[in-house]
Amino acid sequence: GIQVEQSPPDLILQEGANSTLRCNFSDSVNNLQWFHQNPWGQLINLFYIPSGTKQNGRLSATTVATERYSLLYISSSQTTDSGVYFCAVGPGGFKTIFGAGTRLFVKA
Amino acid sequence: DADVTQTPRNRITKTGKRIMLECSQTKGHDRMYWYRQDPGLGLRLIYYSFDVKDINKGEISDGYSVSRQAQAKFSLSLESAIPNQTALYFCATSDYRGNTIYFGEGSWLTVV
Repeated sequence: GIQVEQSPPDLILQEGANSTLRCNFSDSVNNLQWFHQNPWGQLINLFYIPSGTKQNGRLSATTVATERYSLLYISSSQTTDSGVYFCAVGPGGFKTIFGAGTRLFVKA
Repeated sequence: DADVTQTPRNRITKTGKRIMLECSQTKGHDRMYWYRQDPGLGLRLIYYSFDVKDINKGEISDGYSVSRQAQAKFSLSLESAIPNQTALYFCATSDYRGNTIYFGEGSWLTVV
């Protein structure tokens, strides 16, 4: 099956700093999503981005499908950005495979 | 109100007890899922349902059962709970393409 690797596993930032999270996957996919899990456990869908670039406020994501990776950019980080960021890939739906996540802590 | 609602949000139960987690959604989606998350790990699929009459086992279905009572309702049961089923459980929905998955708030289950 498809393997999903996220890096770094852990990241500590000072508030206001920028960061880049990476997701590598082992096979061609037509579905890639980024999720944020807040410290209370809630999972929020950030982006559906099988290819190209999208932006939503301080967050943006780029997927280079031909090279099998995706990047999530967080600019001017805030304490509310803390949590775990998951990349999920696959054909979609029940075949979606989740990475182990990047745990982000933003210090005030 | 949340599009995907799970109850209970927190539950402590004893080994051997039966427990049901309920999920309802207002997204109008046909596809519904139950996932399990263990500390430090990603999500693993327990069961998924394409519609009321189509229910399928996921990666880790042993020890679990499900019921799709209606398009909007999908419940997960632990027939005889055991401590290693202690985890955070998520219900989710998607449209038929599965491009975007919407999760419930999660149900924290502790089996003692």
